[in-house]
Amino acid sequence: EVQLVESGGGLVQPGGSLRLSCAASGFTFSSYWMSWVRQAPGKGLEWVANIKQDGSEKYYVDSVKGRFTISRDNAKNSLYLQMNSLRAEDTAVYYCARKPGYSPNDYWGQGTLVTVSS
Amino acid sequence: QLVLTQSPSASASLGASVKLTCTLSSGHSSYAIAWHQQQPEKGPRYLMKLNSDGSHTKGDGIPDRFSGSSSGAERYLTISSLQSEDEADYYCQTWGTGVFGGGTKLTVL
Repeated sequence: EVQLVESGGGLVQPGGSLRLSCAASGFTFSSYWMSWVRQAPGKGLEWVANIKQDGSEKYYVDSVKGRFTISRDNAKNSLYLQMNSLRAEDTAVYYCARKPGYSPNDYWGQGTLVTVSS
Repeated sequence: QLVLTQSPSASASLGASVKLTCTLSSGHSSYAIAWHQQQPEKGPRYLMKLNSDGSHTKGDGIPDRFSGSSSGAERYLTISSLQSEDEADYYCQTWGTGVFGGGTKLTVL
């Protein structure tokens, strides 16, 4: 059974940093692209970043470029999102999702809440 | 710029059918999309990939009650024999650009 479990969310002050993790199991993690997608309170889904199987290609939504970094450790079956210079508008539930190549995200985690507030 | 447009809300009665629409912006009518379901307080669930010709591939364990179709720039998700657990938000997505539609909140009456 495919499982994606996010962790690392919490309350952080504007300008602060946070590192999210996603533990993957039930599939060969190193064979898949992975994504981070977020959802602000009461709002829709917003794609944040994608990373290729070997980490050699990374893509970001414009609003997080230069502030967020997606990475992975295939030996640990883990996906990460380093978030720096956080803003109030980054407040959201962050989901990790599996992405089979040039195809849609086909499995999602339950999400971890990030709140940016003073 | 690619934009996916969805009606904010829809409703239908228990046991009935409903057809949700996702409209691709001008110049993008050949794009395939994906449909995702998000039940209250849960993470999204992948329903299907839907091509411009109406062919679709469903995710693991998705019931036959869920089907997709296409016409021009419109992509449809039809849910038949509505059940209470179908009450959810439904999102369309193009995965090449990472764009999501705004979502449709489905109420089962």
